[in-house]
Amino acid sequence: GAGVSQSPSNKVTEKGKDVELRCDPISGHTALYWYRQSLGQGLEFLIYFQGNSAPDKSGLPSDRFSAERTGGSVSTLTIQRTQQEDSAVYLCASSLAGVYNEQFFGPGTRLTVL
Amino acid sequence: DQQVKQNSPSLSVQEGRISILNCDYTNSMFDYFLWYKKYPAEGPTFLISISSIKDKNEDGRFTVFLNKSAKHLSLHIVPSQPGDSAVYFCAASGGHSGAGSYQLTFGKGTKLSVIP
Repeated sequence: GAGVSQSPSNKVTEKGKDVELRCDPISGHTALYWYRQSLGQGLEFLIYFQGNSAPDKSGLPSDRFSAERTGGSVSTLTIQRTQQEDSAVYLCASSLAGVYNEQFFGPGTRLTVL
Repeated sequence: DQQVKQNSPSLSVQEGRISILNCDYTNSMFDYFLWYKKYPAEGPTFLISISSIKDKNEDGRFTVFLNKSAKHLSLHIVPSQPGDSAVYFCAASGGHSGAGSYQLTFGKGTKLSVIP
């Protein structure tokens, strides 16, 4: 079956522009996560969606970041007024509900803010 | 404040020998630990995990050891193969409810190079 897919794979934008990153989770996975990996760093948790529950947004670094998940499937991470420090690889993962479930990662979107 | 630390950014090992990757953590609430493997331009893929009620978990050539008192875990790969060359991330989660139950905290990774 298909894994987690993300688009675009690469995005170059100018400082101050808005960007949208898309994630298609594995079918049947009710949990969806966004992480980002800055250069030389580990993966940093951003946001978590589980079913119809309110998302856990505790990892979002500023109010310029937002995410939504439509119909419990596809998710979009939006970064408004991008800054150079937003440059990173943004990774999406999905899993079955419940604790201790393996998170399956997509290939990521490499965002470069000039 | 890093809660999961991988102090070796890189490791080189000869093919056929043992690779040992180390990870330390500070949060005593962590009770589930995972290793992920990442190739360039790909997302991390799950390798092996261990619950805090165990001190060892083995899957083929991969074994993870957990020392709770030392807050230390290690991944052993025996024998190492060139295809094992990748970045290995240690991750942890903790608690049976709330953010700790699903939010993975990652180390910065160790780049393993297996030399033929």
